[in-house]
Parts: sequence; C-alpha cells; structure tokens
Amino acid sequence: DTEVTQTPKHLVMGMTNKKSLKCEQHMGHRAMYWYKQKAKKPPELMFVYSYEKLSINESVPSRFSPECPNSSLLNLHLHALQPEDSALYLCASSQVYSYNEQFFGPGTRLTVL
Amino acid sequence: ELKVEQNPLFLSMQEGKNYTIYCNYSTTSDRLYWYRQDPGKSLESLFVLLSNGAVKQEGRLMASLDTKARLSTLHITAAVHDLSATYFCAAQRIKAAGNKLTFGGGTRVLVKP
Repeated sequence: DTEVTQTPKHLVMGMTNKKSLKCEQHMGHRAMYWYKQKAKKPPELMFVYSYEKLSINESVPSRFSPECPNSSLLNLHLHALQPEDSALYLCASSQVYSYNEQFFGPGTRLTVL
Repeated sequence: ELKVEQNPLFLSMQEGKNYTIYCNYSTTSDRLYWYRQDPGKSLESLFVLLSNGAVKQEGRLMASLDTKARLSTLHITAAVHDLSATYFCAAQRIKAAGNKLTFGGGTRVLVKP
C-alpha cells in the first residue's frame, strides 16, 4: 500500500465547533506531516511527527492540536477556528532517514463559517 | 534559512511550443523536488533530483539540477493542454529541521490552443 488517505474530503464548520481531520498511511513511514495550503500559495508546514513524537511545531496557533496515536495515524484536532483558517489541509508521510521523499494525501478542504 | 524562488509565477503557453520554469534556492540542499498540482487537488510528485547534473525526463517534462548554481529547471517540450496546472519546486535538507520541504511560490501554467 503506497497511499496516504485523509478524511473527510470536505469539512464545513462554525467557529464554535470542534472537529478533527484524520490521516492514515500503511507504508511503514515513521515521519508524518501536516501542511496548510491557501489558494494560489505553496503548502506551509504546520507540524512534524517523528516516531510518534512531535518534533516540529511551526508556531501554529493552539486552536490546531495535532495527535499521533500510533505510527500509522495522524490527527489534527480543530477548535474555535477563524474564517481565515479555511484552506486545504494536506497530510504527508516519509521515512525518517535514508530515502525520505514525502508522500502526500489527497487533502481535506476546510471551510470555516 | 533556506529560501526557494520560482519564476515565472504565471506562464501562458501556446500548444506545441517549448517553455522553461526556473527554481533557485539560497543554500546547499540535498534534494530538489518538482510537483504538479491541479486546482483543488493534492500534490503529485513529478521528479526527485539528488545530485549535481541530474536530469530526469517523463513524457514532455524534463527536470535538471545544477547544485553549483543552486538552480533547477523544468523544461516543457511541445506543450499540450493537459499540462495546464500549477508546478511547485521544493528543496530539502536531509536531517535538518525534520526533513522539511521548502517550497517555491509556484508557477501557474495555462496552455492555450
């Protein structure tokens, strides 16, 4: 299985809602990533997990809370988001060392009303 | 800090003609990637360039890397409508900052008949 899957594909939420994005991979990768991409912009790294531990937080607001419950799963918990958080959220995975090309999932299109 | 610049930002192409997208990066990098992104979709990996002088070709696309000049190019031969998309380059420093990808700003390509 050489695929990264993400659910849901689309999500609409209000500013007071709590929701979660899910990412899964079964390639044995031990590094997983969350990116945020606004329209017509490149992806921006949010978080990196290495061996299920948070290794990088790119100064992301606390209303975004990542979680890596096991080596195959990565969640992004959302709470009290703002309309400007509307974006495409991409998950990626890679090996930690050696050949560590990142494989991207299809993304979740998030709209905050 | 690694910075990546792409140009042009927008490229209007005529079918059948040849074009080049340029990607400059500011400091030594271990790998250079090229991605394609269709509107609302995820990133599709096109090429991974590992060493100086590397050249890879797939169909009408050819990518090359000159590490001394810190320059990669994506050459499009005899453009066709199906190549309309946004193209991103990204540089990566292995074992630095969580294998972070630093993206260029993207080149939006529109191929007209």
